[in-house]
Amino acid sequence: QVQLRESGPGLVKPSQTLSLTCSVSGGSISSGSYYWSWIRQHPGRGLQWIAYIHDSGSTYYNPSLRSRVTLSVDSSKNQFSLKLRSVTAADTAVYYCARVARGVYRFDTWGQGTLVTVSS
Amino acid sequence: QSVLTQPPSVSGAPGQRVTISCTGSNSNIGAGYDVHWYQQLPGTAPKLLISGNNNRPSGVPDRFSGSKSGTSASLAITGLQAEDEADYYCQSYDTNLSGSDVIFGGGTKLTVL
Repeated sequence: QVQLRESGPGLVKPSQTLSLTCSVSGGSISSGSYYWSWIRQHPGRGLQWIAYIHDSGSTYYNPSLRSRVTLSVDSSKNQFSLKLRSVTAADTAVYYCARVARGVYRFDTWGQGTLVTVSS
Repeated sequence: QSVLTQPPSVSGAPGQRVTISCTGSNSNIGAGYDVHWYQQLPGTAPKLLISGNNNRPSGVPDRFSGSKSGTSASLAITGLQAEDEADYYCQSYDTNLSGSDVIFGGGTKLTVL
């Protein structure tokens, strides 16, 4: 059974870059049948899709975040990563990584989430 | 404001049936894209509850069902139980002039009275 786990700093200073990694276990990130995605949830709010990436390197971004987001995949480590530049307090949220079934855009497996706070 | 509209809250007594609506448009649900539903228990990550409009992943009780018609979808929960108290989100895909996006509803908080 595939499991995902987020890791990275829980505190980031304003204007800096938020960097998170999602480690995939129990299955290969290179299966080809899935996208690998990041979603965030502001405190007390709903879910916001950030972006997803295919193991081929193809990436798809939420238009509202595209200018600040970069996704990458490291197949040798079975990991994928998120970088969000120029963060502000508005980027404080729980960040989830998830596996997405291609073609139907179904988020079938989620990580536990990690809270990232933007504060000086 | 979410592209998919859900009621902020619904409630019901144990044993009752409740429904949660998810209203979209011709660029998402009405365009034929699947609707998926997620359950988020307090303090936990979302979990896939219904996929492809009305398919339950293994382990999801048959008290949960989904439907889709036109530009809307619904989640029904029968035989309401205290453990069903959670936030529920619908999700689909949208294509528009600015591109294609994954979209979520704003979420509905289910309270079991």
